Amino acid sequence: DAKTTQPPSMDCAEGRAANLPCNHSTISGNEYVYWYRQIHSQGPQYIIHGLKNNETNEMASLIITEDRKSSTLILPHATLRDTAVYYCIVRVGGSQGNLIFGKGTKLSVKP
Amino acid sequence: NAGVTQTPKFRVLKTGQSMTLLCAQDMNHEYMYWYRQDPGMGLRLIHYSVGEGTTAKGEVPDGYNVSRLKKQNFLLGLESAAPSQTSVYFCASSYGIGVSASDTQYFGPGTRLTVL
Repeated sequence: DAKTTQPPSMDCAEGRAANLPCNHSTISGNEYVYWYRQIHSQGPQYIIHGLKNNETNEMASLIITEDRKSSTLILPHATLRDTAVYYCIVRVGGSQGNLIFGKGTKLSVKP
Repeated sequence: NAGVTQTPKFRVLKTGQSMTLLCAQDMNHEYMYWYRQDPGMGLRLIHYSVGEGTTAKGEVPDGYNVSRLKKQNFLLGLESAAPSQTSVYFCASSYGIGVSASDTQYFGPGTRLTVL
């Protein structure tokens, strides 16, 4: 699975959009970009994933650059409950087994 | 639909004691996983199962055993607990068949284990 690079921490004002970047310059053609988050002391939670097209669901949007070397997770209206560590993971689509969690980005949403 | 549940939520053991952590899922998922998470570190895979009656080693399997006698349950055993096994243990499951959307992993709330 390709490696990912994320900033260690970010702040966001409540009600504003949170844009979390992820670099994955060695991504392969059959690898998807997944985002999970872990709210303090809880189990990780799946957010969204995509291959090359932008994706949106009820939680977030995922923007993947045309060369697929980076992506951005967007939380359109961040709330205090979105404070968490966000993990960007790249892996072959449909593959099972180990999810490799790096250090992620600690997002702090402030009033 | 409870998703993934874990029992117990907290446990304190003495060195050398044994215990079993139970994970249950009601989503009819084929794959189940046990991870551990230590302070300041990401999750590390201990063991996983690709279906009823099967298990496989993950990244850090030493000191643990697992069993998957029923599709919905995945047990993690510590035969002789050591202080190095103090950690938060997370169970996860995924559908496990075919297309990319089915490999999303759903996690339980965790078990906090302290070994004295």
